[in-house]
Amino acid sequence: DTGVSQDPRHKITKRGQNVTFRCDPISEHNRLYWYRQTLGQGPEFLTYFQNEAQLEKSRLLSDRFSAERPKGSFSTLEIQRTEQGDSAMYLCASSLNAGAISGNTIYFGEGSWLTVV
Amino acid sequence: DQQVKQNSPSLSVQEGRISILNCDYTNSMFDYFLWYKKYPAEGPTFLISISSIKDKNEDGRFTVFLNKSAKHLSLHIVPSQPGDSAVYFCAASAWKQLTFGSGTQLTVLP
Repeated sequence: DTGVSQDPRHKITKRGQNVTFRCDPISEHNRLYWYRQTLGQGPEFLTYFQNEAQLEKSRLLSDRFSAERPKGSFSTLEIQRTEQGDSAMYLCASSLNAGAISGNTIYFGEGSWLTVV
Repeated sequence: DQQVKQNSPSLSVQEGRISILNCDYTNSMFDYFLWYKKYPAEGPTFLISISSIKDKNEDGRFTVFLNKSAKHLSLHIVPSQPGDSAVYFCAASAWKQLTFGSGTQLTVLP
């Protein structure tokens, strides 16, 4: 399977704990995105990388959230001191284009479900 | 401020009939529009897209129409099949990222 893969698929954690999600994009893709989706809503943009550089962060990405893409390949999204409001599906996506979105070039992974209890 | 709106949270259609899903947007800077389909516990899957310079794009049973003056787009599925039952998200792009609507749950009844 050469699609976008995310790990773990499901995570249940206690409030206050730290969690980390990993995303492996499609191998030749230079752009990687993180989105968050809560029930009844569409995916909301969090951040994106062009190779290893994090070029944009949404205001949704509080100080407790940090994303990295150290070698321009896989990425991690860490949430520190989790809160119940962090419960959501965290989606990773990747694309090949370096410029404007031009169509069916953004491919999503299956998501990582986070439940904070 | 919801820049992309899908005002119908759900839609039920009989198999073989046409499904019409609607989407409205407010940002005139959006230059590309996409529809994604999502099954439970899976990520969104790209379905069809349209550039802002066009008013129609067709791919098999799926057609997307764009009315720029009304800032409105729609997805037509003809004929609808039970396997089309899913949540459909409208998304719009302004250069670097996608802004999604809240989705419409389509149920195609056999």
